[in-house]
Amino acid sequence: AQSVTQLDSQVPVFEEAPVELRCNYSSSVSVYLFWYVQYPNQGLQLLLKYLSGSTLVKGINGFEAEFNKSQTSFHLRKPSVHISDTAEYFCAVLEWGGYQKVTFGTGTKLQVIP
Amino acid sequence: DARVTQTPRHKVTEMGQEVTMRCQPILGHNTVFWYRQTMMQGLELLAYFRNRAPLDDSGMPKDRFSAEMPDATLATLKIQPSEPRDSAVYFCASGLGQGQHNSNQPQHFGDGTRLSIL
Repeated sequence: AQSVTQLDSQVPVFEEAPVELRCNYSSSVSVYLFWYVQYPNQGLQLLLKYLSGSTLVKGINGFEAEFNKSQTSFHLRKPSVHISDTAEYFCAVLEWGGYQKVTFGTGTKLQVIP
Repeated sequence: DARVTQTPRHKVTEMGQEVTMRCQPILGHNTVFWYRQTMMQGLELLAYFRNRAPLDDSGMPKDRFSAEMPDATLATLKIQPSEPRDSAVYFCASGLGQGQHNSNQPQHFGDGTRLSIL
């Protein structure tokens, strides 16, 4: 069975500083991985996805994530955050094939401090 | 940009009343998901449909919740009777998929219905 863990429920960071949001997953088979962002009073929006190929994935708004199979991680990074990046970020995992649904993590609230 | 549309955006009603939430998926998408989001439980999948047929509704309390897709452009989630513990934000999402297998295509979310049961 697949599962995903976001250890940090909140991450405060100063504007223009780098940030890394951690995501670890568990699965016995190969997986697809996703990062979504949720702004206040809105639904989730896809930031980026890893399906196969290059382990470094670039997404919207300057975010990128690296798939590390040996560490079963898919951490999200941005070299310099803006106030507008304040939001909640969700990691999600889906096993190849099969009938399981996408499993979302519990979310990490990124607070960018001016 | 194509969007998933949910109505109403906000709903306040008294316990015991019927609540109906509607979702218009993105045109051409054949998979529709219903989620509930609360502070305590986070994001929970209630049910999802493919080609208008329910594939999984195991996350949905069967005694009071029901989900349907009368046609390809409308999905509904009903609660009858509603209870205060149903207060949450309900999201609809749509995407593409084949057969009964899962899909690696991303889900497109609506902005949710914020439900308050008094």
